[in-house]
Amino acid sequence: GESVGLHLPTLSVQEGDNSIINCAYSNSASDYFIWYKQESGKGPQFIIDIRSNMDKRQGQRVTVLLNKTVKHLSLQIAATQPGDSAVYFCAEKKGGGSYIPTFGRGTSLIVHP
Amino acid sequence: SAVISQKPSRDICQRGTSLTIQCQVDSQVTMMFWYRQQPGQSLTLIATANQGSEATYESGFVIDKFPISRPNLTFSTLTVSNMSPEDSSIYLCSVEIQGAGTGELFFGEGSRLTVL
Repeated sequence: GESVGLHLPTLSVQEGDNSIINCAYSNSASDYFIWYKQESGKGPQFIIDIRSNMDKRQGQRVTVLLNKTVKHLSLQIAATQPGDSAVYFCAEKKGGGSYIPTFGRGTSLIVHP
Repeated sequence: SAVISQKPSRDICQRGTSLTIQCQVDSQVTMMFWYRQQPGQSLTLIATANQGSEATYESGFVIDKFPISRPNLTFSTLTVSNMSPEDSSIYLCSVEIQGAGTGELFFGEGSRLTVL
């Protein structure tokens, strides 16, 4: 079936570097994509989203890029800080109007001071 | 946004017993969901908790194993029945805020169950 997945399970970066977390999706009918951050012992927290009619969206220190041609989604974190250490999940909204997202595998981001 | 409180935050349970997890939201919400997150894994939707009617279960999850109550728009419970070690997971309550229309979910802190 169609699914959402991530390329790298763990990403280690130095504090101050930029981080890029990638996600591949296969459901061309998805019209909404979301990135969540889950810190240890906590529930996932919304970071940023993007609709399928957009290629790029920026937030505070974060940017999400969507490449519909190759069905690829990425989350860029600028000037990564130790507080950014967490597991990051991409999620896609099912087609047909459902508001229930399907979550990808997750990438663990480790920021070294 | 929404503040979601889950109880218990963690518990250690014996095989064959059942445990009920509570989820309280600080505002009325239409859509409320229960997710399971097994160790080191992503989130899997168990069911949608429907107010005043039976929950809608995803493939692989059944009411006898995971009975759900939703008596009103701010509260829900999930019971994990006849537990086995394979049920050791984090169980997460989540809500979608009515009117947001963007699919953003808010999550509780989760209930971490360990079944011995």
